[in-house]
Amino acid sequence: QVQLVESGGGVVQPGGSLRLSCAASGFSFSTYGMHWVRQAPGKGLEWVAIIRYDGSNEYHVDSVKGRFTISRDNSKNTLHLQMNNLRDEDTAVYYCTRDALSSSSSQFGAFDIWGQGTMVTVSS
Amino acid sequence: DIVMTQSPLSLAVTPGEPASISCRSSQSLLHNIGYNYLDWYLQKPGQSPQLLIFLGSNRASGVPDRFSGSASGTDFTLKISRVEAEDVGVYYCMQGLQTPGTFGQGTRLEIK
Repeated sequence: QVQLVESGGGVVQPGGSLRLSCAASGFSFSTYGMHWVRQAPGKGLEWVAIIRYDGSNEYHVDSVKGRFTISRDNSKNTLHLQMNNLRDEDTAVYYCTRDALSSSSSQFGAFDIWGQGTMVTVSS
Repeated sequence: DIVMTQSPLSLAVTPGEPASISCRSSQSLLHNIGYNYLDWYLQKPGQSPQLLIFLGSNRASGVPDRFSGSASGTDFTLKISRVEAEDVGVYYCMQGLQTPGTFGQGTRLEIK
């Protein structure tokens, strides 16, 4: 079936690094834009990053720019988020999600498939 | 960045009664092809978010027809014609017109 499965979360000290992965199955991964969205404990949703279907373009929210990098491997149907220099405020559940709109435009949305999320805890 | 402001932040509804949630964007979300890049999501307790409405007024696959979305300029509304117990959770609007994507604060719906 169509699904996204995140992995790679864990506990890390401030300044540390983690690499999240999102394995896609059941659909043509290389034809969809993908995003990372996070949710701090007890808080709302925060959009983090987008990567176009072919990896040709990506964008990160200012709060993670220069520290996080979204990437994808279409040959392995996998999305990644490399997180460096982690801060306390990066503590959150990280979701990967499929974008049903961006393959045909520079706009985006209709996040129709979500993973179960992976927890990242930044703490000393 | 485009700011999304939802209201109310919480509401309690009797089953069978209607509910309405508003979302206002700080600038137009209307693209030149005629679509508003505005989605509605529901996050049920303990679950990942799920898509309800995309492009302002289009119901996602499998979403009951008691859910509807509308737009008037920079004001967007999600309406539930008859609330059911399974509709509890937090509702979010999100704009996809330009990066960074931005979500509203969320509206918590409870059952009376």
